[in-house]
Amino acid sequence: AQTVTQSQPEMSVQEAETVTLSCTYDTSESDYYLFWYKQPPSRQMILVIRQEAYKQQNATENRFSVNFQKAAKSFSLKISDSQLGDAAMYFCAYRDYTGNQFYFGTGTSLTVIP
Amino acid sequence: DTGVSQDPRHKITKRGQNVTFRCDPISEHNRLYWYRQTLGQGPEFLTYFQNEAQLEKSRLLSDRFSAERPKGSFSTLEIQRTEQGDSAMYLCASSLVGYQETQYFGPGTRLLVL
Repeated sequence: AQTVTQSQPEMSVQEAETVTLSCTYDTSESDYYLFWYKQPPSRQMILVIRQEAYKQQNATENRFSVNFQKAAKSFSLKISDSQLGDAAMYFCAYRDYTGNQFYFGTGTSLTVIP
Repeated sequence: DTGVSQDPRHKITKRGQNVTFRCDPISEHNRLYWYRQTLGQGPEFLTYFQNEAQLEKSRLLSDRFSAERPKGSFSTLEIQRTEQGDSAMYLCASSLVGYQETQYFGPGTRLLVL
């Protein structure tokens, strides 16, 4: 069965600094998708970044980038130039190729210190 | 495009009562997902629809839970004979089936069973 593990329940970063959130997953599939979602307090979940497993190039969205290591089944999120608005719970998620299965990690709570 | 909406946003009920939640997906999205999220955890998949067909149900979904999407547009999730353990945030997400499918989440319905 596929599982997603986020080993850092809480992280903190100074404003303008860089932070990396870790995620590992388990799957026997070769084609799949990985996501990072952000859930601010009392607000809805929004997509931060997406990575297709067949692509070797790491995805990047402005200040957000990933380090995708397929063989190691690792998918970390790097946030550069952290801003106060980045404070939220971050969830790593796995989706199988068909879209029938979607698994989330337990989340990492990110605090941004002014 | 108004995004995914859910109604009600909050529901307090007594144990043993039935409750029904509604989700309106993004209009052109043909897939609709239901998740349950408890405090400090990531969302857990419950079920999903492609158009009006319910294609997958989690083993977490007991017989007291039923979901419908009668015309392939909005969906309802009903919980019969609620139990205190049903207290959670119920999230709905929608997506457009395709190779780069991304789920967009609604704000959730927070259920408290007394």
